[in-house]
Amino acid sequence: NAGVTQTPKFRVLKTGQSMTLLCAQDMNHEYMYWYRQDPGMGLRLIHYSVGEGTTAKGEVPDGYNVSRLKKQNFLLGLESAAPSQTSVYFCASSYGAGREGDTQYFGPGTRLTVL
Amino acid sequence: KNQVEQSPQSLIILEGKNCTLQCNYTVSPFSNLRWYKQDTGRGPVSLTIMTFSENTKSNGRYTATLDADTKQSSLHITASQLSDSASYICVVSPNAGNNRKLIWGLGTSLAVNP
Repeated sequence: NAGVTQTPKFRVLKTGQSMTLLCAQDMNHEYMYWYRQDPGMGLRLIHYSVGEGTTAKGEVPDGYNVSRLKKQNFLLGLESAAPSQTSVYFCASSYGAGREGDTQYFGPGTRLTVL
Repeated sequence: KNQVEQSPQSLIILEGKNCTLQCNYTVSPFSNLRWYKQDTGRGPVSLTIMTFSENTKSNGRYTATLDADTKQSSLHITASQLSDSASYICVVSPNAGNNRKLIWGLGTSLAVNP
């Protein structure tokens, strides 16, 4: 039981390049989330999914796209990377929507630098 | 504006000592409050979660308290260990069943020295 895994762990991009971050969970969770964590700011929700085939915008969705083709995977795409997207990206999953028992489980993070 | 403020920003203690971290929030409505531990280079890990009707919850050496009237929470760590060195983040949920609207604090960075 690996929990939530993220690929890659580190990545350096040049401005304008594209990439996809992969998140996988083996807990059969319905809900999955993508966050970014920046110095001096709390975690901010980028996009989320409430089930296979669904996606929705979070607090800071601009410049990102997501897909949830399989229940266990949640992909985050950057079509044209910008320096402002330099951040640590965390994927999380939860069984339910957020009631007291619906703990979010986080992956180890992807550190992305855009030059 | 919904906000979660944590204090102190950072703290250094000696191994074996106790410490208390504070969280004040101005979130309304209020559903539950969570404490997470985030080791350097890792994702956050849930420690406790409390609803407005609970005023204390323990997880091993970690004890969280909640005063919904004053909108304050604390995380007490007993007999600290080197492995407790991490960032501790307070998170408030304004609505039950809604992980999409969590309000995250900036965390308290704790260093436990031998």
